Amino acid sequence: NAGVTQTPKFRILKIGQSMTLQCAQDMNHNYMYWYRQDPGMGLKLIYYSVGAGITDKGEVPNGYNVSRSTTEDFPLRLELAAPSQTSVYFCASSYLSGGYEKLFFGSGTQLSVL
Amino acid sequence: DAKTTQPNSMESNEEEPVHLPCNHSTISGTDYIHWYRQLPSQGPEYVIHGLTSNVNNRMASLAIAEDRKSSTLILHRATLRDAAVYYCILRGVNNYGQNFVFGPGTRLSVLP
Repeated sequence: NAGVTQTPKFRILKIGQSMTLQCAQDMNHNYMYWYRQDPGMGLKLIYYSVGAGITDKGEVPNGYNVSRSTTEDFPLRLELAAPSQTSVYFCASSYLSGGYEKLFFGSGTQLSVL
Repeated sequence: DAKTTQPNSMESNEEEPVHLPCNHSTISGTDYIHWYRQLPSQGPEYVIHGLTSNVNNRMASLAIAEDRKSSTLILHRATLRDAAVYYCILRGVNNYGQNFVFGPGTRLSVLP
């Protein structure tokens, strides 16, 4: 199994440009998440989804949008890129087992907005 | 989710045991204690979890205090590959699908 796959791995955007960060998982997990991590900091939740067609905002949703049309895919859209969105973005999925939830992360997308 | 407190950084020598502490005095009875780690330039990965009893797996051991207000992640023989940021996270049964809160964690350095 591939697990959680994120593309692209690196991207440089100009201010005001738009892009979509792709995330796909092949583990049939219902729950999916988008986090961002600024240098030397912990992860902050942007959006999450508990299943296809259901999404909700996390701690830092401003400037981002998501959709979840299938169980497998959870793309993150940046509409008008700003320098403050320079960060590493991680997608994750999770499953519930025996009363606990285990997260699986992708390898991340490093985004620079110049 | 209840809050956890970890030291900012720790240092260990290679092949020696490492004890990474975590305080969680406001833990509730249904909160699981999770540990994740993040190797350089990678996403976090699951290490271990527990509820009340001590737990062992191939990566580490988790020792949970009797009152559950603290726990310790034990790496029995640190290797250079164990240098990472370690996150202690509480997660309750009512929080499924919500925010897994990753604080700053403990940055572990392993010296050769």
